[in-house]
Amino acid sequence: GQSLEQPSEVTAVEGAIVQMNCTYQTSGFYGLSWYQQHDGGAPTFLSYNALDGLEETGRFSSFLSRSDSYGYLLLQELQMKDSASYFCAVRDSGGYQKVTFGIGTKLQVIP
Amino acid sequence: NAGVTQTPKFQVLKTGQSMTLQCAQDMNHNSMYWYRQDPGMGLRLIYYSASEGTTDKGEVPNGYNVSRLNKREFSLRLESAAPSQTSVYFCASRGTTSGTAGELFFGEGSRLTVL
Repeated sequence: GQSLEQPSEVTAVEGAIVQMNCTYQTSGFYGLSWYQQHDGGAPTFLSYNALDGLEETGRFSSFLSRSDSYGYLLLQELQMKDSASYFCAVRDSGGYQKVTFGIGTKLQVIP
Repeated sequence: NAGVTQTPKFQVLKTGQSMTLQCAQDMNHNSMYWYRQDPGMGLRLIYYSASEGTTDKGEVPNGYNVSRLNKREFSLRLESAAPSQTSVYFCASRGTTSGTAGELFFGEGSRLTVL
């Protein structure tokens, strides 16, 4: 089966940088994705890593180390609107269309 | 361009009643998914469909059935609703081309309460 671990809550200051981690265990692995979800809304896609290394999209970066079964999402120049829950998700090769989510990290940005 | 459309957005049922949640996507995606989300539990996969005509169980399939009616539509049915099925249900779809393989597109969610 698959399992993903994320810290449940993180608090960071507006304008700062925050890193949210994700460790996973899967029977096979195709890639790690990150999603943002505001309260009452639907998850929206942020980034995807299929290979080791860093992917950057504006203020958001995502990193993957397949050998460590580990990834993180980095948010720079934090804004109040970044307060949301952030989920990592793995696409595994055992039934390779299956996508499993972690329980999410709730980020609170404070002034 | 609607993306993923779910209906209904809100529903209240009594224990034992049945209902079907409808989902349709207009992005020509092969894969479709149903998740439920409960407070503190993240998104849990109920069923998914890799392509038209195929469905597979996810983490929490008990009490649910699905139908992949065609490439566009993937419905979720509760045959005999229970209070434990009170949740927010999300439908999602995913393309399989190299540029879209990692991204799920979600509907707005269906908020179901079972009394």
